[in-house]
Amino acid sequence: AQKITQTQPGMFVQEKEAVTLDCTYDTSDQSYGLFWYKQPSSGEMIFLIYQGSYDEQNATEGRYSLNFQKARKSANLVISASQLGDSAMYFCAMREGGGGADGLTFGKGTHLIIQP
Amino acid sequence: DTGVSQDPRHKITKRGQNVTFRCDPISEHNRLYWYRQTLGQGPEFLTYFQNEAQLEKSRLLSDRFSAERPKGSFSTLEIQRTEQGDSAMYLCASSLGMGGDVLDEQFFGPGTRLTVL
Repeated sequence: AQKITQTQPGMFVQEKEAVTLDCTYDTSDQSYGLFWYKQPSSGEMIFLIYQGSYDEQNATEGRYSLNFQKARKSANLVISASQLGDSAMYFCAMREGGGGADGLTFGKGTHLIIQP
Repeated sequence: DTGVSQDPRHKITKRGQNVTFRCDPISEHNRLYWYRQTLGQGPEFLTYFQNEAQLEKSRLLSDRFSAERPKGSFSTLEIQRTEQGDSAMYLCASSLGMGGDVLDEQFFGPGTRLTVL
């Protein structure tokens, strides 16, 4: 089974609108972290925001917020007031704390295009 | 520039040749990770180091892949006898290495794009 599922391969959004990118995850660990990265066409992975499994409040970083619903195992990224520069691939990732490998497990990504 | 750096940025090679990529992490970071990203996919974790110790290598794709971090600073990833299926972006990331902290943030380099002809 996929550990990270991003169901939106591509999205078109009007500039200045809010956008929600979906992410669901699968783990049996009690301790884990969820991350969102942005990858522009240049290829570099840019960290946006993270959420720990024990955090009760949703994380926020500027225009980015993470809508964490633990019971549903979802960690959606919300971008408020979208800008043209937000056009990029967005990846959701998870790091499990069960003593296994410490690498991140990524989803397949969502290609977000902001239209003027 | 104090970010993660990778060299070369692009590599074109012929099938069967060996290639080596270098990653220089952020200077105070103890952990270093290698990922592979193929077209249309998210990065796939390959291996990681805590200082000079390679703590996970079971995810390396085959015995043609090997990685080193001899002095706990820079790292190299080598692919022997390259195949066309090895064509991908190879990403390096580093982190402070807070033991057991699932929120130990990983900072990525710009990647090395490998094309095997």
